[in-house]
Amino acid sequence: AQSVTQLDSQVPVFEEAPVELRCNYSSSVSVYLFWYVQYPNQGLQLLLKYLSGSTLVESINGFEAEFNKSQTSFHLRKPSVHISDTAEYFCAVSASGGSYIPTFGRGTSLIVHP
Amino acid sequence: KAGVTQTPRYLIKTRGQQVTLSCSPISGHRSVSWYQQTPGQGLQFLFEYFSETQRNKGNFPGRFSGRQFSNSRSEMNVSTLELGDSALYLCASSLGAGMSMNTEAFFGQGTRLTVV
Repeated sequence: AQSVTQLDSQVPVFEEAPVELRCNYSSSVSVYLFWYVQYPNQGLQLLLKYLSGSTLVESINGFEAEFNKSQTSFHLRKPSVHISDTAEYFCAVSASGGSYIPTFGRGTSLIVHP
Repeated sequence: KAGVTQTPRYLIKTRGQQVTLSCSPISGHRSVSWYQQTPGQGLQFLFEYFSETQRNKGNFPGRFSGRQFSNSRSEMNVSTLELGDSALYLCASSLGAGMSMNTEAFFGQGTRLTVV
């Protein structure tokens, strides 16, 4: 079984400031890791994912996340946020083999102030 | 191409009633998963269907059931509704079966169910 902990329920930040949303996981097997974003009244959209290979993964809108196996973390970062980045962000994990049941974190609300 | 369509968007039901939610996946996608999202519990996996077969099931009571049709459209049914079933129900579709098959899941906008 896996579990995901998003350490911050809410992260307020000013526009153009850097931000880090933290995600830690636990699992007895190898995992795939994901970050999803949910804008108000919308479903979830995949932001980026780690399956294998390079531990640093990037999204097209400037976010990046680094898989750290020793610290069992997959923190999401952006060097300069925009007002439009205000949303709920979910970290998720699934086992990399066999049947899966994806586990989501509770979510982190990113609030970008002008 | 059209995204994942969930109907209805909003629903109000009374305790004890039953409800059916519908999800039309992206054309060509064969896998449909359902999730329940609440402020207290976050996002929880309900079940996944692939080619009309339930492949995985989360930890929900038997009142929650689903099915998938030959055109990949899926329905979720909740019987004997309880107040605690009030939630946003999200459906996701993907080409293959689940995240572990290296396929992206595309989510619909959800159905907001309120039980009174």
